[in-house]
Amino acid sequence: NAGVTQTPKFQVLKTGQSMTLQCAQDMNHEYMSWYRQDPGMGLRLIHYSVGAGITDQGEVPNGYNVSRSTTEDFPLRLLSAAPSQTSVYFCASSYVGGGYGYTFGSGTRLTVV
Amino acid sequence: GQQLNQSPQSMFIQEGEDVSMNCTSSSIFNTWLWYKQEPGEGPVLLIALYKAGELTSNGRLTAQFGITRKDSFLNISASIPSDVGIYFCAGQEDGGANSKLTFGKGITLSVRP
Repeated sequence: NAGVTQTPKFQVLKTGQSMTLQCAQDMNHEYMSWYRQDPGMGLRLIHYSVGAGITDQGEVPNGYNVSRSTTEDFPLRLLSAAPSQTSVYFCASSYVGGGYGYTFGSGTRLTVV
Repeated sequence: GQQLNQSPQSMFIQEGEDVSMNCTSSSIFNTWLWYKQEPGEGPVLLIALYKAGELTSNGRLTAQFGITRKDSFLNISASIPSDVGIYFCAGQEDGGANSKLTFGKGITLSVRP
């Protein structure tokens, strides 16, 4: 049981480049979400999904896109990377909207230069 | 939006000491969760609380759901070096499928041997 798998672990991008952060879970969780973690800011919700075909914006959605074509996968797309998007990104999943506790991936550390 | 307050941002204790953390909110939450994040990893669920006044233990960790539903407490007894990490509280307003978790900014715990 792999849980939540995020790839890549580390990434360096140039300003203006685009990329996709991958997230996959094998627990049949309906709920998936993306957070970014910055020093002193805690975890901030970017986008979330309550099931395949359904996504919604979180607290800091600008500059990011998501889609949910399957229950297992929830990729996060950076459309045109900016230095302000330098952060650690976490994907999390749950059976319901978080009340039973999210399972987090190990994170992707992204640097935009 | 909702906010969860955790302070101080950092705590330094001696091995063997007990430490208490609290988390407060201006809003009522129906679920409280405590997570621990170790360096380079995603947060891991420690304790989940579902009922006002509930007291739950997990080894040396004990957490309580405040009677007012606006706060929660985490106590670590007889601390050891592996307790170092960031401790996050999280709250959920209701158990609906679309209900997101709100996270505090976390407290970084350091344990001196």
